[in-house]
Amino acid sequence: EDQVTQSPEALRLQEGESSSLNCSYTVSGLRGLFWYRQDPGKGPEFLFTLYSAGEEKEKERLKATLTKKESFLHITAPKPEDSATYLCAVGILTGGGNKLTFGTGTQLKVEL
Amino acid sequence: GAGVSQSPRYKVAKRGQDVALRCDPISGHVSLFWYQQALGQGPEFLTYFQNEAQLDKSGLPSDRFFAERPEGSVSTLKIQRTQQEDSAVYLCASSLQASSDTQYFGPGTRLTVL
Repeated sequence: EDQVTQSPEALRLQEGESSSLNCSYTVSGLRGLFWYRQDPGKGPEFLFTLYSAGEEKEKERLKATLTKKESFLHITAPKPEDSATYLCAVGILTGGGNKLTFGTGTQLKVEL
Repeated sequence: GAGVSQSPRYKVAKRGQDVALRCDPISGHVSLFWYQQALGQGPEFLTYFQNEAQLDKSGLPSDRFFAERPEGSVSTLKIQRTQQEDSAVYLCASSLQASSDTQYFGPGTRLTVL
């Protein structure tokens, strides 16, 4: 059974305190590992897609990495505006499309 | 440009009522997905359209749930005889091509069944 597990469930950081979020997965036929950001009352906002082990992508203070069994989202010197829920998902081929199986998310709070 | 839009943003229904949720995908996007997100959980896949064809409906929880996209653009998710367990946020996402992997999500419709 395809499964995505995120840890920790919640994380509280001081501004400037770097950390990493973990996403471990078991899936047959992986078609991409996705990271999204979700703010309260809003839909998920796309951040990154990773396809193969060893791949890395960066955007501002965020860097995503991928191994064969897990992905990390590294947050460097976070700011309060980085506070959000970060969702990890695996893509699975369906009828020519790519349906996403999500983890339960990591709720990040960055304080001054 | 305009993103994915959904309406209504909030819907309150009495148990047993039928509801219809609308999704307007990004113009020209071929693929459209519906997801259900319970409080404190990640979104869960419901169904997938490629143009007007519904190619995967394996995630629909029961035969009370029905989705359509008759002209390959706007989609409607209908829930008949709503139950309290249907209370959730219903998210719509679209992607440019069938083979495109980036899905862009709408703001969701929060359904509360009393």
